[in-house]
Amino acid sequence: AQTVTQSQPEMSVQEAETVTLSCTYDTSESDYYLFWYKQPPSRQMILVIRQEAYKQQNATENRFSVNFQKAAKSFSLKISDSQLGDAAMYFCAYRPNTDKLIFGTGTRLQVFP
Amino acid sequence: EAGVAQSPRYKIIEKRQSVAFWCNPISGHATLYWYQQILGQGPKLLIQFQNNGVVDDSQLPKDRFSAERLKGVDSTLKIQPAKLEDSAVYLCASSVGTAYEQFFGPGTRLTVL
Repeated sequence: AQTVTQSQPEMSVQEAETVTLSCTYDTSESDYYLFWYKQPPSRQMILVIRQEAYKQQNATENRFSVNFQKAAKSFSLKISDSQLGDAAMYFCAYRPNTDKLIFGTGTRLQVFP
Repeated sequence: EAGVAQSPRYKIIEKRQSVAFWCNPISGHATLYWYQQILGQGPKLLIQFQNNGVVDDSQLPKDRFSAERLKGVDSTLKIQPAKLEDSAVYLCASSVGTAYEQFFGPGTRLTVL
């Protein structure tokens, strides 16, 4: 079965510091996509970053970057220079090619001034 | 560009009652998704439409849940009759196509008493 595991229910970080959120997944597929979504308290889910499994280079979007380890089936999100607006639930999601998204249980990130 | 619209934002009903949710996707988006997000969990796909047709409804409890997509645009999700375990946030998302980024609406929070 394809599963996504986020082992950190909650994380906290000081403003301007760096935090890493962990995600592991289980699949027998070789072609798939991985995503990190942010869900602020207003509940509108926003895509933060995506990674294609066939790409060896880790994706980066401004202050957000991933560490994609395909063999280990690990996909962590690093947030640099954390800001108060980064506080939210973060969901890791996996999608086999053209199939449905499978989400993890989420990590609540708190950012302290 | 307007985002995905959902209504109502909140709904409280008694068990065994019926309820309906409405979703208006982003204009031009062929694919529409309904997710159920139970507190403390990640979203779970209930049903996926491609234009008017159903692509995946494998996790839709068909004895009580139904969904339709009118003329390939708006969609409604109905629960009849509701159970306590249906309390959740129901998220609608849309995308240009199956393999493209999904844009989420703000969700409808359902409480079944």
